[in-house]
Amino acid sequence: DAKTTQPPSMDCAEGRAANLPCNHSTISGNEYVYWYRQIHSQGPQYIIHGLKNNETNEMASLIITEDRKSSTLILPHATLRDTAVYYCIVRVAWTSYDKVIFGPGTSLSVIP
Amino acid sequence: KAGVTQTPRYLIKTRGQQVTLSCSPISGHRSVSWYQQTPGQGLQFLFEYFSETQRNKGNFPGRFSGRQFSNSRSEMNVSTLELGDSALYLCASSWAGASNQPQHFGDGTRLSIL
Repeated sequence: DAKTTQPPSMDCAEGRAANLPCNHSTISGNEYVYWYRQIHSQGPQYIIHGLKNNETNEMASLIITEDRKSSTLILPHATLRDTAVYYCIVRVAWTSYDKVIFGPGTSLSVIP
Repeated sequence: KAGVTQTPRYLIKTRGQQVTLSCSPISGHRSVSWYQQTPGQGLQFLFEYFSETQRNKGNFPGRFSGRQFSNSRSEMNVSTLELGDSALYLCASSWAGASNQPQHFGDGTRLSIL
């Protein structure tokens, strides 16, 4: 699976959009981009995933660049409950595993 | 629908003991995977079960084992516990139909070894 790079931390004002970037320059054509988040003491929560088209659901939007080498997770109106560590993962399929599935992620702090 | 349920949420054991953790997947999900999460190593894959068969295995010693029942519920067992086994153990389930379906995690069992 392709390696991802994310900034270690970000701040966002409550009510504003949070834009979390992820670089996956070695992504291959059949690899999907998945986003999860983890709030302290809870399990990772699935947010969204996509292959090459932009995706939107009730939680967030996923923007994937045309060359697929990077993506951005957008939380349109961040709330204090969105404070969490966000993980960007690139993988072919659920049957493909690495020893370490999630990297360090981005710690997002939503500020009142 | 109900999410992935893991029991117990917290467990305290001593070195040398053994422990069994339980996971009930989302209804209809047939794939169950187990992960170990520690501050230093992050999230590491233990193994995956599908239709009662172990299909993938991570790089953990044989003290870590698991099984899956016909109703897709899964258990993980760790024998001869060591201090380094203290971690959050997470279970994740997926539909195992289309290959791009995401895994959904439970809130984990926090295991502390004294």
